[in-house]
Amino acid sequence: DSGVTQTPKHLITATGQRVTLRCSPRSGDLSVYWYQQSLDQGLQFLIQYYNGEERAKGNILERFSAQQFPDLHSELNLSSLELGDSALYFCASSVALAGEQYFGPGTRLTVT
Amino acid sequence: AQSVTQPDIHITVSEGASLELRCNYSYGATPYLFWYVQSPGQGLQLLLKYFSGDTLVQGIKGFEAEFKRSQSSFNLRKPSVHWSDAAEYFCAVGAFNAGGTSYGKLTFGQGTILTVHP
Repeated sequence: DSGVTQTPKHLITATGQRVTLRCSPRSGDLSVYWYQQSLDQGLQFLIQYYNGEERAKGNILERFSAQQFPDLHSELNLSSLELGDSALYFCASSVALAGEQYFGPGTRLTVT
Repeated sequence: AQSVTQPDIHITVSEGASLELRCNYSYGATPYLFWYVQSPGQGLQLLLKYFSGDTLVQGIKGFEAEFKRSQSSFNLRKPSVHWSDAAEYFCAVGAFNAGGTSYGKLTFGQGTILTVHP
């Protein structure tokens, strides 16, 4: 158990819908990262927040957005969902702006 | 931009045999390197990391890795594999450019699936 929690574990939704994935970092960690894992793209970095501010951005689609709240939990919002958005979405956290990252168990999103 | 190559998609070893998983990275400066393991349906667990100093690093579960700058490699090794080591292994490089857009980002290899025969 890494100490990073993610909800829900599984999500099944239809194309065009919007979903919200939630992540709570390890106690004391200020950075939260979001990654997408799919069979064709592998593990891809989406975005990083540090103490409430966006600090790094990967190839995150415009339909996707994230935020980190004052209690340091983070949410990833995915809208206008397409079949290709089906993937495992991982949240990770670290103490500082950089360093080793600890991953949550992931949310498996299935878009039908 | 940084990149990671894991040349072996799938490796099969017998229980008790030694293991080496290959990882080659591309990065302009001194990299921060990691190995993670993912069991089916699970998240990624950090095995070990290299930031600086001794180029041979020890991790959890009896794993070690050696950083070789001249070969741009960070291979993972274990002297005797257990059946519970069967999983997918990911090598990752971190950029951590202060002030850059890649700060904090990890770039992962495609992974190596390890199968262990009894």
